[in-house]
Amino acid sequence: GAGVSQSPSNKVTEKGKDVELRCDPISGHTALYWYRQSLGQGLEFLIYFQGNSAPDKSGLPSDRFSAERTGGSVSTLTIQRTQQEDSAVYLCASSFPPGLAGGVGGDTQYFGPGTRLTVL
Amino acid sequence: SQQGEEDPQALSIQEGENATMNCSYKTSINNLQWYRQNSGRGLVHLILIRSNEREKHSGRLRVTLDTSKKSSSLLITASRAADTASYFCATAPDSNYQLIWGAGTKLIIKP
Repeated sequence: GAGVSQSPSNKVTEKGKDVELRCDPISGHTALYWYRQSLGQGLEFLIYFQGNSAPDKSGLPSDRFSAERTGGSVSTLTIQRTQQEDSAVYLCASSFPPGLAGGVGGDTQYFGPGTRLTVL
Repeated sequence: SQQGEEDPQALSIQEGENATMNCSYKTSINNLQWYRQNSGRGLVHLILIRSNEREKHSGRLRVTLDTSKKSSSLLITASRAADTASYFCATAPDSNYQLIWGAGTKLIIKP
């Protein structure tokens, strides 16, 4: 596709409900990242997928958060029993395999427009 | 914890002036990247500078990297109203694929 897409763009939910956020990465990008951004803050890493490797879940803040990536493409971030502190913008990014452009370090990430989650 | 720290936190200048933002980090890196974010939504990649580079240009953007001081600067020349945004630096540590993000500099260009 032309870019990373995310849906929904906005989600308002009640405390205790489950939500699912979707990310569709750029075709050909094997790496996919989820971040959370609270108002006026930087990005907080949540989870990383690379190809068929086991995902790096080290950034997930609690076991209420989970994510999957089916067929190496679309990813879904699920938050169970939402809390008010979960309110934030959830950003998805994709990239070519880190290090492909040279070196081990992370490469350019392409971001979707984000999902603004509000938990009442 | 966040590695990249931008300063200043906020910057307001007149259109046409130059804007300089700084980023400091703590560990050795493979590369450092600058991103722009409008209206609190998706980020757009601006420029990537590798650890063996000292300066890089892209249009009105100039990025410098001083690995001895673990710092980088982003200069936007001849600023325009459309440059109003938040600017983030992100560092790619040597040993990890993750990008470590700072809290950003909010830049306001006054017409």
